[in-house]
Amino acid sequence: DAGVIQSPRHEVTEMGQEVTLRCKPISGHNSLFWYRQTMMRGLELLIYFNNNVPIDDSGMPEDRFSAKMPNASFSTLKIQPSEPRDSAVYFCASRGEDRYYGYTFGSGTRLTVV
Amino acid sequence: DAKTTQPPSMDCAEGRAANLPCNHSTISGNEYVYWYRQIHSQGPQYIIHGLKNNETNEMASLIITEDRKSSTLILPHATLRDTAVYYCIVRGTNSGGSNYKLTFGKGTLLTVNP
Repeated sequence: DAGVIQSPRHEVTEMGQEVTLRCKPISGHNSLFWYRQTMMRGLELLIYFNNNVPIDDSGMPEDRFSAKMPNASFSTLKIQPSEPRDSAVYFCASRGEDRYYGYTFGSGTRLTVV
Repeated sequence: DAKTTQPPSMDCAEGRAANLPCNHSTISGNEYVYWYRQIHSQGPQYIIHGLKNNETNEMASLIITEDRKSSTLILPHATLRDTAVYYCIVRGTNSGGSNYKLTFGKGTLLTVNP
């Protein structure tokens, strides 16, 4: 199993540009999570999908952020327009049907907005 | 979810056991204790979880006190590669409410010294 795959690993963009982060969960996993990590705020849950449906997006900072999961094997997190304060590492995680088990995280996307 | 308290940092000599404590005095009956770790520049990694019995897997052992108000993660023979931030998380696993959420605190930075 290749694990949770995120792309790109690094992204540098200018303020005001649109940024799209991608995630491929583990095959067969039906829950997907997007987290953001900064030095100041640590790891924060942004949004949670179950069976491709967004269940909780209360962690999404503002309307500039949007996330989609068009099918069970792909999700995107989009920031439009991007701002320097969005600079962070964004992690995607997935989990299978067994809700007692732990999540598997991807390697993250390091986003820098200049 | 119940709040957890961990020391900010600990040191351990290579080859010795690392014992990482966690207090969760407000834990409720249906909440599990989970441990994750995050090695620098990587995504969090699931280690182990338990409800009230001690648990062991190939990575670590989890000792939960009888009153469940605290627990200890034990790495029996720490190596340099075990240097990481270790997170203790309490989470319910009922299907309702927000039990799907993993809320990360600041964790314990374990440094394994040669």
